[in-house]
Amino acid sequence: DIQMTQSPSTLSASVGDTVTITCRASQSISSWLAWYQQKPGKAPKFLIYDASSLESGVPSRFSGSGSGTEFTLTISSLQPDDFATYYCQQYNSYSPTFGQGTKVEIK
Amino acid sequence: EVHLLESGGGLVQPGGSLRLSCAASGFSFNIYAMSWVRQAPGKGLEWVSEIHGSGTIYYADSVKGRFTISRDNSKNTVYLQMNSLRAEDTAVYYCAKNIAVAAWDVWGQGTTVTVSS
Repeated sequence: DIQMTQSPSTLSASVGDTVTITCRASQSISSWLAWYQQKPGKAPKFLIYDASSLESGVPSRFSGSGSGTEFTLTISSLQPDDFATYYCQQYNSYSPTFGQGTKVEIK
Repeated sequence: EVHLLESGGGLVQPGGSLRLSCAASGFSFNIYAMSWVRQAPGKGLEWVSEIHGSGTIYYADSVKGRFTISRDNSKNTVYLQMNSLRAEDTAVYYCAKNIAVAAWDVWGQGTTVTVSS
């Protein structure tokens, strides 16, 4: 299986900050990467697909980049609603795997 | 509006069985692949199984031989039959609509499965 490693595991930030989460794949996955946001007790919310394509309805302050083995999710001007856990997920193979998650908390 | 509603979760003893259902609405169910993804308490997300509109099926190694995914396009429903349940199967099980192979744009609210004696 392809291993996905996110960093950091926890990120403390303030409203208005720009934050970046990194996701690394154990082998090349081209651009077959998605990002999800999850709040406690809720289902994940789909944010980005194909590494950099924003899902309809997702605010433009979210952006994704990367290809191969290294990817980033950037949230510009962090809003109160953005404090949550974020997961990357590869769909390069028929054994999709997630990163362990990055919790974005209020500083 | 696209909507997924899971049901069937509950408490079951180790070795027991449970069948989860996911009722879909708001989209052409028969042409989309559907998946189950689970999340153990306090843990991350784990893909479980996927079924295509054509009937092609995939399973995670952790459930292969124990879980069976199926769908009834006439009822817009996908199922997950879980047999030989283990404590490590304890999780919230989410039904999800595929936007592509193994990527999901719509998720249900989840149903909780607890395997314990």
